[in-house]
Amino acid sequence: DAGVTQSPTHLIKTRGQHVTLRCSPISGHKSVSWYQQVLGQGPQFIFQYYEKEERGRGNFPDRFSARQFPNYSSELNVNALLLGDSALYLCASSVFRDRGRGYNSPLHFGNGTRLTVT
Amino acid sequence: LAKTTQPISMDSYEGQEVNITCSHNNIATNDYITWYQQFPSQGPRFIIQGYKTKVTNEVASLFIPADRKSSTLSLPRVSLSDTAVYYCLVPYDYKLSFGAGTTVTVRA
Repeated sequence: DAGVTQSPTHLIKTRGQHVTLRCSPISGHKSVSWYQQVLGQGPQFIFQYYEKEERGRGNFPDRFSARQFPNYSSELNVNALLLGDSALYLCASSVFRDRGRGYNSPLHFGNGTRLTVT
Repeated sequence: LAKTTQPISMDSYEGQEVNITCSHNNIATNDYITWYQQFPSQGPRFIIQGYKTKVTNEVASLFIPADRKSSTLSLPRVSLSDTAVYYCLVPYDYKLSFGAGTTVTVRA
């Protein structure tokens, strides 16, 4: 079975531009979450989506947005890029059964999109 | 705010057992503790998950005391390929942020 796939693998953008990152979850997984990982730090939670609804949001500015499609794939959008947005962006899928157990479902990560903002 | 605390780094030699302890003093009643392994330029990989007492799988064991305020990941007989960053993850307020993790370096 295919794992979580993310595209593109690498991306170079200029300050002020917009970027869209894409994620396809493992078949049967209905939840997708997004993370930002800066070099030397752990992944920081951005969003979690389940059944096309936002179920959790981290401490990121409104320049960050996401959505989930009927096939459970997801996009992360970042507007007005800053140099500080340079990072590895990770997508994870999970089996999300209910609000109580969902946040305990093991996450399955893709290998990320390396975004460089110049 | 529920926060996890782990040692920043640990060194070991091939064939030894490595134990990494994570403190999570404010863990909620329904929350599980999950451990992940991450290699450079890859996403984290699920290792093991537990709620209380002891859980064992083919790669690791997880020990959780009765008060659940800490947990210990045990990696038996490590090899060079176990050199990685290890994270414990406890959900808080529907957010799933990782801490800084523990860099484990295994030497020959």
